[in-house]
Amino acid sequence: GAVVSQHPSWVICKSGTSVKIECRSLDFQATTMFWYRQFPKQSLMLMATSNEGSKATYEQGVEKDKFLINHASLTLSTLTVTSAHPEDSSFYICSASWTSGNDEQFFGPGTRLTVL
Amino acid sequence: DAKTTQPTSMDCAEGRAANLPCNHSTISGNEYVYWYRQIHSQGPQYIIHGLKNNETNEMASLIITEDRKSSTLILPHATLRDTAVYYCIVLNYGGSQGNLIFGKGTKLSVKP
Repeated sequence: GAVVSQHPSWVICKSGTSVKIECRSLDFQATTMFWYRQFPKQSLMLMATSNEGSKATYEQGVEKDKFLINHASLTLSTLTVTSAHPEDSSFYICSASWTSGNDEQFFGPGTRLTVL
Repeated sequence: DAKTTQPTSMDCAEGRAANLPCNHSTISGNEYVYWYRQIHSQGPQYIIHGLKNNETNEMASLIITEDRKSSTLILPHATLRDTAVYYCIVLNYGGSQGNLIFGKGTKLSVKP
């Protein structure tokens, strides 16, 4: 149980285009979903936290107008990278938790974004 | 949330126990110790967590010192598939789960 999927697993896009990444909790309802970014050989950095039905909370330095997060249901959150540029190329990972308390997060397999 | 200190890398022979240390000297009373690992190019995987008692599950054991200032993750019989970066994180109970602050972790290499 507690499986989180992401789609697509990898994507290549042209500079200036927008890319949407989906994160789904397959067998549980995720009250809270998180989005992380990981550059090569670096650790994960939290980008934002989203609760179903409310606006996402962004970490300092993360542009909310560039990284649009929608958490419309208890099983789906989307991250849209708008007007992507090469510096946005990264490994994007989502995670989900069925509570907002102290339970473990279940991570998706990640999406590798390459912006040309 | 308290910061953690881990060795950058460790080697372990296949079949032997891997003992991964973590220092969290500034941990507060309501902070849990969590361990995750990340195999190359995959999402992180939860391993185990604990507050003050030692914990064991099907993946690993977690030994927390009595003063809670350090802990050790033990993989009893390491396999090649356990090669990964292991992250030790402390987290405030009831706080935002999103504050999983991933440090650099320990890169464990299991060798045949």
